[in-house]
Amino acid sequence: AQSVTQLDSHVSVSEGTPVLLRCNYSSSYSPSLFWYVQHPNKGLQLLLKYTSAATLVKGINGFEAEFKKSETSFHLTKPSAHMSDAAEYFCVVSPTTDSWGKLQFGAGTQVVVTP
Amino acid sequence: DVKVTQSSRYLVKRTGEKVFLECVQDMDHENMFWYRQDPGLGLRLIYFSYDVKMKEKGDIPEGYSVSREKKERFSLILESASTNQTSMYLCASSFLTSSYNSPLHFGNGTRLTVT
Repeated sequence: AQSVTQLDSHVSVSEGTPVLLRCNYSSSYSPSLFWYVQHPNKGLQLLLKYTSAATLVKGINGFEAEFKKSETSFHLTKPSAHMSDAAEYFCVVSPTTDSWGKLQFGAGTQVVVTP
Repeated sequence: DVKVTQSSRYLVKRTGEKVFLECVQDMDHENMFWYRQDPGLGLRLIYFSYDVKMKEKGDIPEGYSVSREKKERFSLILESASTNQTSMYLCASSFLTSSYNSPLHFGNGTRLTVT
């Protein structure tokens, strides 16, 4: 069985300050992990993915995430927030030994960026 | 760029009506998915399909059915709409190869209201 928990439902940051979105997972297998972003009135877009290669994963728009097996975490960070980062972010876990139909989405973290 | 197109952005239907949500993708993807998105719950998988005329139940298939007569088109059917099916519906597609880490490409969603 697998699950994913996003620890914050809302995060508010000032433009130019760091962003941290926290995600913990549980999985019976070595998982693949993803972060997706959803801007208002849009579908989800892939930010980055971890698939058992390097534990520090770089994505689009300056985001990166670090896979920590000992902590079962996959937190998303960005050094300096931009107004365009205001969106909802989803952490997703997929087992590597099962089908893609078993993706589990977190409940989402809404990010607000203030000037 | 992959394009996943959902035929309607907003729909309002009455209780008991039969509702069709249409999704078309233009990248020859084998996999197609229907998700439901509700606040605080993230995305939940309704049905998915890995080939024409093939379908698999997701986590919440009750009250829904699907049809995939052509590779590029995946339809979600609400046989008899109910108010608890008021939600945002998201269609997605992906390649079948390297299935567990193949990223999903999403449409912009259909917001369905059942009155």
